[in-house]
Amino acid sequence: EAQVTQNPRYLITVTGKKLTVTCSQNMNHEYMSWYRQDPGLGLRQIYYSMNVEVTDKGDVPEGYKVSRKEKRNFPLILESPSPNQTSLYFCASSTSTGGYGYTFGSGTRLTVV
Amino acid sequence: GQQLNQSPQSMFIQEGEDVSMNCTSSSIFNTWLWYKQDPGEGPVLLIALYKAGELTSNGRLTAQFGITRKDSFLNISASIPSDVGIYFCAGQSYSGGGADGLTFGKGTHLIIQP
Repeated sequence: EAQVTQNPRYLITVTGKKLTVTCSQNMNHEYMSWYRQDPGLGLRQIYYSMNVEVTDKGDVPEGYKVSRKEKRNFPLILESPSPNQTSLYFCASSTSTGGYGYTFGSGTRLTVV
Repeated sequence: GQQLNQSPQSMFIQEGEDVSMNCTSSSIFNTWLWYKQDPGEGPVLLIALYKAGELTSNGRLTAQFGITRKDSFLNISASIPSDVGIYFCAGQSYSGGGADGLTFGKGTHLIIQP
């Protein structure tokens, strides 16, 4: 089944403790992206990657890092999480043109206390 | 970056009613997409529109790509309980380097009262 898999689904952590949210897709998509979803603000792009070793900032990249060492994986790294990064995070992937829309993962709900 | 204005923010309707929501932008888009998000899940693509003026249906859903390429609407006919969720519009433009990322509206929260 074609899918984007995120882990974990739920995570509670403390301020300053580094964490990684993994994302993997099995559709051989070139394009991958991370979004955060907050009430009243919709989906905001954090980082995206056009292909292996090619990443770029989205609209809200502060406090996040990403890497794209393999085509299928696109982990999101929070080096020093803060409470304002409490949010619902989605990974998405698409073909290079993206014209057929993105396939989203099921989300990771992160709480930073 | 580009912004999409999606309205309404929320809708409270009775089962069986028709629903209409729309998105407008100050920028031109080459593609308009409509997604639905069920509680606890990621958004799922409902309809994709690729040409100005295009009208596309998917079951009880109908969406149109505005002639000016700056707007789109989604209609749902005869709503049923499983239509509950958040609906997002998204626009995509193409620059010299190829397709840009999607710009999302803030969502329309659809609530159906029995």
